[in-house]
Amino acid sequence: EVQLVESGGGLIQPGGSVRLSCVASGVTVSSNYMSWVRQAPGKGLEWVSSMYMSGRIDNADSVKGRFTISRDHSKNTLYLEMNSLRADDTAVYYCARGVDDLYYMDVWGKGTTVTVSS
Amino acid sequence: SYVLTQPPSVSVAPGQTAKIACGGNDIGSKSVHWYQQKPGQAPVLVVYDDSDRPSGIPERFSGSTSGNTATLTISRVEAGDEADYYCQVWDSSSDLLFGGGTKLTVL
Repeated sequence: EVQLVESGGGLIQPGGSVRLSCVASGVTVSSNYMSWVRQAPGKGLEWVSSMYMSGRIDNADSVKGRFTISRDHSKNTLYLEMNSLRADDTAVYYCARGVDDLYYMDVWGKGTTVTVSS
Repeated sequence: SYVLTQPPSVSVAPGQTAKIACGGNDIGSKSVHWYQQKPGQAPVLVVYDDSDRPSGIPERFSGSTSGNTATLTISRVEAGDEADYYCQVWDSSSDLLFGGGTKLTVL
């Protein structure tokens, strides 16, 4: 069974940093198209960042220069390094496995909550 | 940048058919995917590539596209189908993009 488990969320001060982790089982992170998607309280889904098997990275304009996606093959883990956090980054952050020729996400984690507040 | 437009809400009686629209410029030329999200839960893929269903998704869920509109159709609606539904595409100007979501209410 494919499973993705996110962690690392919490209460962060504005301007602060945090690193989210997504540990995968039943699937190899480095052999898949992996993404982070977020959902602000009471709002819809917003794509954040994706990493292809090749290592190519795409980022949403709203996070360019502040967020960095990466992976560790030995730990089979996807990361999202988040810097210069703002109040509007407050959201549940989901890790998802996707299919990179059609760009859909077929496996999702349960999410981890990041709250940016003083 | 590309924009996907969904109605905020759709209501339907149990046993009837629900149709949820997703509008976008020439969306018929793109591959459209649909997700179901129940309160407090992660999204679940219910239709991919316009009209294909992942394993485990009931045949009651179907998708279609034509011109500027993609449609998710849920036949014989059940109380358990009450959820938010999101369409999603990939576009060269916007990368991966979701519609604003539609809340399906089962009356």
